[in-house]
Amino acid sequence: AQSVAQPEDQVNVAEGNPLTVKCTYSVSGNPYLFWYVQYPNRGLQFLLKYITGDNLVKGSYGFEAEFNKSQTSFHLKKPSALVSDSALYFCAVRDGNSGNTPLVFGKGTRLSVIA
Amino acid sequence: EAGVAQSPRYKIIEKRQSVAFWCNPISGHATLYWYQQILGQGPKLLIQFQNNGVVDDSQLPKDRFSAERLKGVDSTLKIQPAKLEDSAVYLCASSFQGTRYNEQFFGPGTRLTVL
Repeated sequence: AQSVAQPEDQVNVAEGNPLTVKCTYSVSGNPYLFWYVQYPNRGLQFLLKYITGDNLVKGSYGFEAEFNKSQTSFHLKKPSALVSDSALYFCAVRDGNSGNTPLVFGKGTRLSVIA
Repeated sequence: EAGVAQSPRYKIIEKRQSVAFWCNPISGHATLYWYQQILGQGPKLLIQFQNNGVVDDSQLPKDRFSAERLKGVDSTLKIQPAKLEDSAVYLCASSFQGTRYNEQFFGPGTRLTVL
């Protein structure tokens, strides 16, 4: 069965500084990896995904993530954080080799960008 | 384009009562998902529909939860009778197809409080 670990409940960063939100995964087949963001009282919004190809994936709002197969990681990054990036971030994984396995989410990391 | 619609946004009931949630997916999306998100956790898939057929309901507590998507468009999720541990946000999501690499689009959710 697949699983996702987001080791940090909370990440604090000053506006303008680079940010990283960590994610590691476990899956038996090829990993399909996703990042979603959740703003207060709103549903999850898709940010980016890795399916195959280039290990560095670029997504919405200037976010990017790097797939590292040897470390089974898919950390979310942004070169310069904005206060408006403050939200709850979820990493999710799906087994690319298995027919109907569900998308499995981590417990989320709360990002707080301080002005 | 219009997003995923859900109603009601909030619901408070007493234990052993019944409750129903409604979801209208993005037009043209064949796949519909219901998730349960307990406070402090990531979303957990309850059921997945492809058109009006069930693809995966392995994590749906079938003794009290039921869901239907009769015409392959909108869907209802019912809990009967509710327990205290059902207090959560119920998220509906849809995707164009149910393939493993498609991102899902989420509605704003229904926050259920069981007293």
